[in-house]
Amino acid sequence: DAGVTQSPTHLIKTRGQQVTLRCSPKSGHDTVSWYQQALGQGPQFIFQYYEEEERQRGNFPDRFSGHQFPNYSSELNVNALLLGDSALYLCASSLVGDQETQYFGPGTRLLVL
Amino acid sequence: DQQVKQNSPSLSVQEGRISILNCDYTNSMFDYFLWYKKYPAEGPTFLISISSIKDKNEDGRFTVFLNKSAKHLSLHIVPSQPGDSAVYFCAASVSNTGNQFYFGTGTSLTVIP
Repeated sequence: DAGVTQSPTHLIKTRGQQVTLRCSPKSGHDTVSWYQQALGQGPQFIFQYYEEEERQRGNFPDRFSGHQFPNYSSELNVNALLLGDSALYLCASSLVGDQETQYFGPGTRLLVL
Repeated sequence: DQQVKQNSPSLSVQEGRISILNCDYTNSMFDYFLWYKKYPAEGPTFLISISSIKDKNEDGRFTVFLNKSAKHLSLHIVPSQPGDSAVYFCAASVSNTGNQFYFGTGTSLTVIP
């Protein structure tokens, strides 16, 4: 049973570009959350998707957007990249309402130059 | 605005001794707390949780203590093993708001054989 998978593993972009990160949830999970982890910091909640809708959103600008597909996989899009967007982006999947079964993927390391 | 704080970035403990990791929070609405463990190049994995109706939860070698009046929780690992060497994050949430967790900055535990 594959856990949460994310692609790509690493990515280098330049300021002003746009990036799309992808996440496949653990089998049986219907909810996907995205987190940004800057160097030396804990993960910060970006948003959560359930039933192809954004359910909750953290304190991130509109440059950060997402999508969930009918197969529960998800994308995170970041427009107009800034140097400060350099971070590890983590995807976590879970069953809606079950706080303990949040499984994290290994993350995508984004570097913005 | 860091609502969950882990003030010790690192901790070293001898194998067989007790490891105590601490976490403080500021938001009195938090009523559910978790500890995650993270190895390099992997996503965080769930370790143990506690809800605010309890002050202690135990799972094998791991015990979490919650002091609501002090807004403080701690994770005890007894006995510590070299395989416990990892970064430990505490996280907090408000029940019934989905899986939006607020993470601390992590404590890197090294268990010395």
